[in-house]
Amino acid sequence: DIQMTQSPSTLSASVGDIVTITCRASQSISTWVAWYQQKSGKAPKLLIYKASSLESGVPSRFSGRGSGTEFTLTIISLQPDDVATYYCQQYNPFSPWTFGQGTKVEIK
Amino acid sequence: QVQLVQSGAEVKKPGASVKVSCKASGYSFMNYNINWVRQATGQGLEWMGWMNPNSGMIDYAQRFQGRIQMTRNTSTNTAYMELSSLISEDTAIYYCARIEGPWGQGTQVSVSS
Repeated sequence: DIQMTQSPSTLSASVGDIVTITCRASQSISTWVAWYQQKSGKAPKLLIYKASSLESGVPSRFSGRGSGTEFTLTIISLQPDDVATYYCQQYNPFSPWTFGQGTKVEIK
Repeated sequence: QVQLVQSGAEVKKPGASVKVSCKASGYSFMNYNINWVRQATGQGLEWMGWMNPNSGMIDYAQRFQGRIQMTRNTSTNTAYMELSSLISEDTAIYYCARIEGPWGQGTQVSVSS
C-alpha cells in the first residue's frame, strides 16, 4: 500500500499566522491527494481535492499544492475556527485509500 | 445538496455482526463508488473498502477479508457495510464516504461483553 507520511503531528500558531502541513507519499501519485479537516466529535470535512482544487464553500485561506510525492496544505491567516486535526489522503486509482497520521492545529 | 446519512449507533457483543447503512441523496448514486472508513477513539483513519453501486463490484482491505460485506439497494440509494465476528478492537466510528465528496456523519459501533 502507498504510505502517507504527514508532518508535523502537532502545530501551535497564533491567529493570523501562515501554517503549512506537509505530506509525503511513498511512491508517485500524480495529484491524487485530498485534505480533510476534522473537528472534535465530527466527521472529516473535505477541504482540497486533486491536490489543489478548493472544495465549494471552503474559505480561500486554505490552499493545497504538490504533485508526485510531496504535498502541502497551507492556511493563510489562521483563525480560531481552524482549530482541528487535518489529514491528507491519497486516492490513487486502483490503490487502497491511505491517510496521513494527522496534524493537530492549536492556537497559541 | 450532496449528502450521505448513516444509521444510528450500535452496541454489540463479541462474535456478533453489525450492519451499517448509508443513504445517498443529491447526486446520482450509481455514478460514484462508496468507500467505508473507520476511526477508533483518538486514532487515525483506516480505509475498509469500496463498492461500486452500479456494478456491485467490491474491493476490501486485506485485513477485513473474510468478515466484511458491502452491498447496496439501488431502489433506495442506500449502501450497506456488514462486519462480522466482532471483537473489542472493532469499537470505532464507521464512516461512508464518496471520492472527492462528502462523508456520512458516522456511526458509533461499540463491542463489549
